[in-house]
Parts: sequence; C-alpha cells; structure tokens
Amino acid sequence: NAGVTQTPKFRVLKTGQSMTLLCAQDMNHEYMYWYRQDPGMGLRLIHYSVGEGTTAKGEVPDGYNVSRLKKQNFLLGLESAAPSQTSVYFCASSFGATRAEAFFGQGTRLTVV
Amino acid sequence: RKEVEQDPGPFNVPEGATVAFNCTYSNSASQSFFWYRQDCRKEPKLLMSVYSSGNEDGRFTAQLNRASQYISLLIRDSKLSDSATYLCAVKGYQKVTFGTGTKLQVIP
Repeated sequence: NAGVTQTPKFRVLKTGQSMTLLCAQDMNHEYMYWYRQDPGMGLRLIHYSVGEGTTAKGEVPDGYNVSRLKKQNFLLGLESAAPSQTSVYFCASSFGATRAEAFFGQGTRLTVV
Repeated sequence: RKEVEQDPGPFNVPEGATVAFNCTYSNSASQSFFWYRQDCRKEPKLLMSVYSSGNEDGRFTAQLNRASQYISLLIRDSKLSDSATYLCAVKGYQKVTFGTGTKLQVIP
C-alpha cells in the first residue's frame, strides 16, 4: 500500500530558485496538510486543504503556495527559496471525520544554500 | 501561548521504568486528541488516539482531561525500542496541531 507519497525525498536549492513538492495519497482522504519540521520547533502547519479545489493558510504560510487540483494530490510551491526555508517538509492526509488520524509521507529534506 | 505545549525532554529512563508525558492545549473547542511516535529522521506515526474515558494499548495508557485541557501518555515497563520522540496532536474543526515533541531515551 502506497499511502502518502512525497517527491522528491531530498533536494538542494540555491537561494532564489523555485521548486514544487508533490504529495500524493491513495486513501481517498478529503483533508491534506503540509508541515515543516525544524529542530526545537516541532511540526508547524504551512497550508492545508479540506477538499479538491480548496486551500487554507496554516501557521507559517509566508513564502509558500499550494494547489489541490485533484483530490489525491497536494502541491507545495516555493517561488523564491530562502535559506530560512531549509527544513524537513511533511505532507499528511486524513478523512474529514473528527476522530480521523493523519497519515504522513516520508518527508522531503530541503536545503537552501 | 502556543496552541499545544509539551515538555521537550529529553527523558532518560532505565529499561523497565514507567514514564509519563503531558501535553497541554489552549483551544477548549478542540475535538480529537492523539499521540504520535516519531523515530529519528522518520515520519510521525500514530501511536494511539486519546478518548475522554481513557484508553490502554498494552503498555501504553492515554488520558484526556478536558477540564484542565491536557492529555497524558503513560508508558509502563519501558523497552529500548520505545526510544523515540512522542508528539501530541490536537484536532480542531479542520486543522491538526502538534506539540514540539518529547524525546525519550530508554537506557539499558
């Protein structure tokens, strides 16, 4: 079972470059989330989506954009990467029900130099 | 004040010990509560959901106190394989918010 798949798993960017992280889930989940994880900061919500065609801002949305054109995919874009965006990025998905747990992808380790 | 707060630890305990973690949350309208386990350089994985009546899964017991707005995780008879970071998670209307995690190191 694939579950939640993130691509790429590793990436090094130069400051000012752009890139898109892809998250794909095959569990027919309504909700999808993008988090970043930094030492001592825990998981911080960047953006999330409660269904196809919807997106909303999380705790730390600046410098990122997202799109959910298909239910199974949630894309995270960095238009002009900055060193402060060096982090581990996790995508997660869940059913919309209140007690539904979130399932995570394996993460993308991004370094901006 | 952070929405979800945890003691970052680390907690260093000997094998066989009992260890407890607490997590407080600020939004009284929060609806669901979870404990996740995260191994080094891996993704978080659900350990257990937390219900008002409390729930137990083997050596693990989770409790929810809505009045005081905290959840707890108790690990009995700690094993070396329990060494990991434990994250509490709180689900509101749409978002899932995580604590910073508590690192547990079980020592032989």
